Amino acid sequence: QVQLQQSGPGLVKPSQTLSLTCAISGDSVSSKSAAWNWIRQSPSRGLEWLGRTYYRSKWNNDYALSVKSRITINPDTSKNQFSLQLNSVTPEDTAVYYCARTYGGNNDYWGQGTLVTVSS
Amino acid sequence: QSVLTQPPSASGTPGQRVTISCSGSSSNIGRNTVNWYQQLPGTAPKLLIYSNNQRPSGVPDRFSGSKSGTSASLAISGLQSEDEADYYCAAWDDSLNGWVFGGGTKLTVL
Repeated sequence: QVQLQQSGPGLVKPSQTLSLTCAISGDSVSSKSAAWNWIRQSPSRGLEWLGRTYYRSKWNNDYALSVKSRITINPDTSKNQFSLQLNSVTPEDTAVYYCARTYGGNNDYWGQGTLVTVSS
Repeated sequence: QSVLTQPPSASGTPGQRVTISCSGSSSNIGRNTVNWYQQLPGTAPKLLIYSNNQRPSGVPDRFSGSKSGTSASLAISGLQSEDEADYYCAAWDDSLNGWVFGGGTKLTVL
């Protein structure tokens, strides 16, 4: 059974960096069959895919155009986890952030969600 | 504005059959499979239907999915009170090179 456990602060100041981590159990971040995503949800934007990291013969990343200039998703093979960094946040980045696994063409396992509020 | 279009709300009485539609385009639903998620308040979305019409283990066969062209549908038969939730469709978009979602449909069991 795959489990994704999220961690990170729930409050970030405007212009600072949002950082979250997703620890994986029951699978490997280096799996050649999976991809590891960050998705957020807010009343104004609904469910919004932010990006993913995945390993095939090398590490790859894809990012949503809306955040491409501000986002980094990194795998950490030593801890079997992956992370999200979103720079220069504004109140519009306030949302519940989820990590999720893509396997077989669908996002089948999700983290518990982290409410991140951007406020001074 | 979500890339996939769903009705904001749907309703039915216990035992009824309800359908929820999801409309996309040639770059997402037209080329790729559709997944459906159920989200209860305060919880993460749960995979309900994958690959257009497949149910993960543990999902009752009251839930079914279909796809035609650039649209998809979720059907719930024998509606139960515990089905009251938000439902989202999702698909990979080849033009955007990312996952796209519907805006969600709030299902009310009257």
